[in-house]
Amino acid sequence: AQSVTQPDIHITVSEGASLELRCNYSYGATPYLFWYVQSPGQGLQLLLKYFSGDTLVQGIKGFEAEFKRSQSSFNLRKPSVHWSDAAEYFCAVGTDSNYQLIWGAGTKLIIKP
Amino acid sequence: EAGVAQSPRYKIIEKRQSVAFWCNPISGHATLYWYQQILGQGPKLLIQFQNNGVVDDSQLPKDRFSAERLKGVDSTLKIQPAKLEDSAVYLCASSSQGGSGNTIYFGEGSWLTVV
Repeated sequence: AQSVTQPDIHITVSEGASLELRCNYSYGATPYLFWYVQSPGQGLQLLLKYFSGDTLVQGIKGFEAEFKRSQSSFNLRKPSVHWSDAAEYFCAVGTDSNYQLIWGAGTKLIIKP
Repeated sequence: EAGVAQSPRYKIIEKRQSVAFWCNPISGHATLYWYQQILGQGPKLLIQFQNNGVVDDSQLPKDRFSAERLKGVDSTLKIQPAKLEDSAVYLCASSSQGGSGNTIYFGEGSWLTVV
């Protein structure tokens, strides 16, 4: 069965530091990959997505993610975080055989001043 | 382009009472979703509509939850009677068509507290 793992429940980084949030998936073929962000009291906003082509994907708010087939990963990165990036980040996976998205449990990002 | 609209944003009810949430998707989006998100968890799909037909409602607790999308546009999600464990955020979302390769756009959610 398809699954998505976000190994880190919480991550704390200092403002201005770099960030990497991990996402691993289990699926035999190339999936559709998404990162969403949820700020406190808000709905989910799409940061970026990967369907095919270039494995390094640029998103909004200065985020990028890299699809690594060999590692079944789609990690989210940002070179320098801002206090406004404090939020919960969700990785989601879709496939051609399943019209539903499979969601990770989320990683809560805490920014230290 | 207007986003997905939801109301009410916040609701507090006592257990065994009923509540209804309304959603207006992005104009032209054929597919509408209702998700339940419990604090600290990822969203869980309750029901998916394609136009006004139900595509998937396998995780909808049908003894207490109901949803409809009569004219293929707006949708309502009702809970009756509510239980304490229904306290969650109810997210409405839409996409131009079904299939997990399509981007899903979410509303800001309706936050339900059952006391």
